[in-house]
Amino acid sequence: KAGVTQTPRYLIKTRGQQVTLSCSPISGHRSVSWYQQTPGQGLQFLFEYFSETQRNKGNFPGRFSGRQFSNSRSEMNVSTLELGDSALYLCASSDGLAPRVRNEQFFGPGTRLTVL
Amino acid sequence: EDKVVQSPLSLVVHEGDTVTLNCSYEVTNFRSLLWYKQEKKAPTFLFMLTSSGIEKKSGRLSSILDKKELSSILNITATQTGDSAIYLCAVHNTNAGKSTFGDGTTLTVKP
Repeated sequence: KAGVTQTPRYLIKTRGQQVTLSCSPISGHRSVSWYQQTPGQGLQFLFEYFSETQRNKGNFPGRFSGRQFSNSRSEMNVSTLELGDSALYLCASSDGLAPRVRNEQFFGPGTRLTVL
Repeated sequence: EDKVVQSPLSLVVHEGDTVTLNCSYEVTNFRSLLWYKQEKKAPTFLFMLTSSGIEKKSGRLSSILDKKELSSILNITATQTGDSAIYLCAVHNTNAGKSTFGDGTTLTVKP
């Protein structure tokens, strides 16, 4: 099986711009979670999508949004970028099925976003 | 709020040493605890633990969960330079449907 893919791998933007990141989960996985990783804050949960619906949400401002398509691919959007948004954005896929939720998440390589 | 604390934050050892990494947690509706290894890129899955007292083992790595103490340890025996990485612990909250990660332990194995 192909792994989780994320595009683009690297991105440089300036403050005030907006950005869209993409994640394709492992085939058959319906859950996609997004995380922000920074040296100071570690891995922080952004949100999780399952079957095109946002199922869970972390404590991030409304500038961070996402969606999931019928093929389980997910996009994350950050509007009005701030310097502090510079981070590695990781997505992780899992089967996400209850009650036998395995919770085992497979991470993509991440998108390194730099905001200047 | 769910919380995961890992210790030590960093560790430097020599090849052949044995290390023990710790993870403690406070989480409502605990479902599972997961260990990941992160080198230069994304975390890679190591173990998932749901039952207390049952050791999971993979080669030189092993892990065990203690639900009474709300903690887990990850052991690495006969360390190699390739074990140098950040080891992350995460706990999954069933109701919240999300994983909370610790800050990680940075392990450096010197030749």
